[in-house]
Amino acid sequence: GAVVSQHPSWVICKSGTSVKIECRSLDFQATTMFWYRQFPKQSLMLMATSNEGSKATYEQGVEKDKFLINHASLTLSTLTVTSAHPEDSSFYICSATGLDNEQFFGPGTRLTVL
Amino acid sequence: DAKTTQPPSMDCAEGRAANLPCNHSTISGNEYVYWYRQIHSQGPQYIIHGLKNNETNEMASLIITEDRKSSTLILPHATLRDTAVYYCIVRVGGGNQGGKLIFGQGTELSVKP
Repeated sequence: GAVVSQHPSWVICKSGTSVKIECRSLDFQATTMFWYRQFPKQSLMLMATSNEGSKATYEQGVEKDKFLINHASLTLSTLTVTSAHPEDSSFYICSATGLDNEQFFGPGTRLTVL
Repeated sequence: DAKTTQPPSMDCAEGRAANLPCNHSTISGNEYVYWYRQIHSQGPQYIIHGLKNNETNEMASLIITEDRKSSTLILPHATLRDTAVYYCIVRVGGGNQGGKLIFGQGTELSVKP
């Protein structure tokens, strides 16, 4: 299957700083990318949908000014957690959809905010 | 909200078939049933999907009832590495429209020696 990577795989930051997470489709062009968040022992929660060259569509309750999403190319989407706080600590997972509309997930990024 | 219900946990003996049920009684005619699994601290892995016919691939088989209100994922010979949380998802927008995946709570499958 298609490969999706995320960078970094884990990050620790101080409260108040911003953190950028990258999601790349390595062997296909992703028409759409999705961002999820997962807290311990919980399911994945969809945060937003992004299409290359357009603004992301955020799910209800997700602050668009807090979680900035940029989808500048067909192989790269970034999620920036701005002014991170301890409650933002979570496992962030992206997925990418190619021309066949199947979704492939990245390995996830574990964010810890101190 | 997720449109599926699954048992929270199941056990299976190694080498035996694991049958994971899923109810999706409000599924629409153009919605597909997808199955993913997530091993601890990893991203979800695609397993299989179907619309109305039964499907089989190298990982599993998917049996969908005729009324499409429920389905069963079958792992024919479970191994310890199949221990994971299995998610049954009805894909909003259908298989050809790139719809988003809404995850429910899934079934935590434990394969035991």
